[in-house]
Amino acid sequence: SYELTQPPSVSVSPGQTARITCSGDALPKKYAYWYQQKSGQAPVLVIYEDTKRPSGIPERFSGSSSGTMATLTISGAQVEDEADYYCYSTDSSNHHTGVFGTGTKVTVL
Amino acid sequence: QMQLVESGGGVVQPGRSLRLSCAASGFTLSNYAMHWVRQAPGKGLEWVALISFDGGNEYYADSVKGRFTVSRDNSKNTLYLQMNSLRVEDTAVYYCGKDGGGPNYHLESWGQGTLVTVSS
Repeated sequence: SYELTQPPSVSVSPGQTARITCSGDALPKKYAYWYQQKSGQAPVLVIYEDTKRPSGIPERFSGSSSGTMATLTISGAQVEDEADYYCYSTDSSNHHTGVFGTGTKVTVL
Repeated sequence: QMQLVESGGGVVQPGRSLRLSCAASGFTLSNYAMHWVRQAPGKGLEWVALISFDGGNEYYADSVKGRFTVSRDNSKNTLYLQMNSLRVEDTAVYYCGKDGGGPNYHLESWGQGTLVTVSS
């Protein structure tokens, strides 16, 4: 089955830049989406179609994709950005089947 | 304001059934595909199922195929997940989500989730 791989954890100091990667064989053909999940809360979409930011999401969140890797960047990370982050995409052979990445815990301290 | 509210979770024995509901408000449910996603305690997110806007097509993760059925009643603004032959490993918070449209299916908005515990 299709897999998306993320680093388990990323740590940054406030004001620094955090980069979270997501690796998957189908990413050259399929968009990546990114979700933020704070403790005890439902996930929130922060990036869609590799690079687009939904309304209400701070500009410090940005996305990019190249080859088999998508990246979520938090520029000038804030304490309130501490959360779990998940990438999401679909299999190239079955675009109806969703797959979440393994998740990355971002610590800002 | 758009809202999704899940209900129907609880404690159930292995092998039994449970039906979850997701009440939608603030948008026209019949215009959107809908998803179910789950999260086991302390674990990551797992996509479970997708149903097309009119209910004509359903898609499932391999882990639930043949046991779970997603359905919808657009006249009642409600999405359902019928879960049969439940296993201990189905224990999770179950979220419903509205599809965001565009070139790939994905969840644009989520409910707050309902906890399902499968235990003897």
